[in-house]
Amino acid sequence: DTAVSQTPKYLVTQMGNDKSIKCEQNLGHDTMYWYKQDSKKFLKIMFSYNNKELIINETVPNRFSPKSPDKAHLNLHINSLELGDSAVYFCASSPRAADHSYNEQFFGPGTRLTVL
Amino acid sequence: GQNIDQPTEMTATEGAIVQINCTYQTSGFNGLFWYQQHAGEAPTFLSYNVLDGLEEKGRFSSFLSRSKGYSYLLLKELQMKDSASYLCAVTDSNYQLIWGAGTKLIIKP
Repeated sequence: DTAVSQTPKYLVTQMGNDKSIKCEQNLGHDTMYWYKQDSKKFLKIMFSYNNKELIINETVPNRFSPKSPDKAHLNLHINSLELGDSAVYFCASSPRAADHSYNEQFFGPGTRLTVL
Repeated sequence: GQNIDQPTEMTATEGAIVQINCTYQTSGFNGLFWYQQHAGEAPTFLSYNVLDGLEEKGRFSSFLSRSKGYSYLLLKELQMKDSASYLCAVTDSNYQLIWGAGTKLIIKP
């Protein structure tokens, strides 16, 4: 009965590889997000997907591409991985559209990505 | 630029009270959240403030002053399980959630 799930939990890979992280939510939420949390613990929004619209953070390199096959899934594909991509990636969902002030976010367990 | 400031780390004693402060400078304001994050786990929602004043929820309370760009999270009757990072986050005028770096709270017996 996990609300927001991510796979894999741990991902270790070589520089230059392409990898994907999957996210699914069974809460019926309209909005999903991808966050990156680096070693300094800053949570940085990467993308938000609002059912009809994908909002891209302009600071995210285009090597990162979100893919949403349906409202319950928002996967993250990363091309040509770099050392600086090592971080914990969190998927989250919220019940309302992104343009709503009270929009509690429910987080997945995180994927710890290590690029060697 | 947009900025959320919180102390990096705080230490408190089991059974005591601790106040974690958060100040923010953002382009607009549409609400402030507090989240708790245990080491190696995901953040979980604690509280939401959009109007000035105190919101109480059990042992935890959150206060907001919009004119001062200031909030605090008050934790009472501290328990060892309260050892975690506490993240302050503000929704700006574009409904983007801007996150602070978090305050690591260490509880000692």
